[in-house]
Amino acid sequence: ETGVTQSPTHLIKTRGQQVTLRCSSQSGHNTVSWYQQALGQGPQFIFQYYREEENGRGNFPPRFSGLQFPNYSSELNVNALELDDSALYLCASSLVGTGQYNEQFFGPGTRLTVL
Amino acid sequence: AQSVTQPDIHITVSEGASLELRCNYSYGATPYLFWYVQSPGQGLQLLLKYFSGDTLVQGIKGFEAEFKRSQSSFNLRKPSVHWSDAAEYFCAVGPNYGGATNKLIFGTGTLLAVQP
Repeated sequence: ETGVTQSPTHLIKTRGQQVTLRCSSQSGHNTVSWYQQALGQGPQFIFQYYREEENGRGNFPPRFSGLQFPNYSSELNVNALELDDSALYLCASSLVGTGQYNEQFFGPGTRLTVL
Repeated sequence: AQSVTQPDIHITVSEGASLELRCNYSYGATPYLFWYVQSPGQGLQLLLKYFSGDTLVQGIKGFEAEFKRSQSSFNLRKPSVHWSDAAEYFCAVGPNYGGATNKLIFGTGTLLAVQP
């Protein structure tokens, strides 16, 4: 069973640029959530994708957007990067639809630095 | 407002000593409760979770946690700490239903250092 993978591992961008981060779900999972973890903070929920549609969003501006593909992998896109976007971005996958709580399994994260 | 508070930013214990990490939450209803561990450069690993029933839950690596509804707390404990337990620990809460939006709210974390 393959776990959650994320790419790239590290990324450096400059202010104003756009970035795309990728996540491959754990086998059999149909839901992907994205979290932002700033230095010294806990992860904060950005949004969740279920059946290729956004299904829940945290307090993040529209320049944070995402996609989920038919194979349940996902992308996080951030436009017009700001210095405060520098963080570890975590992807978590889960299986939804069984009527019980669905544990989220986290990937290792992508470290984004905005200069 | 929904929130999780971990009052201890940094804790140092000696190897073999006992450990307790504190967690308090504010939530509309009794949420699902979790403890995660994060080692440097790693993602989050689930240590244990509480959904309902027995308020003392056992997790991996010898950790346990006790849910106290009256105190809105979910403290993590370990009787004897090992050097490999040095990491950052996060308490989190989530909605108590099996819905699609199982968003987690995390505390700010407690960084555990273990002295030889």
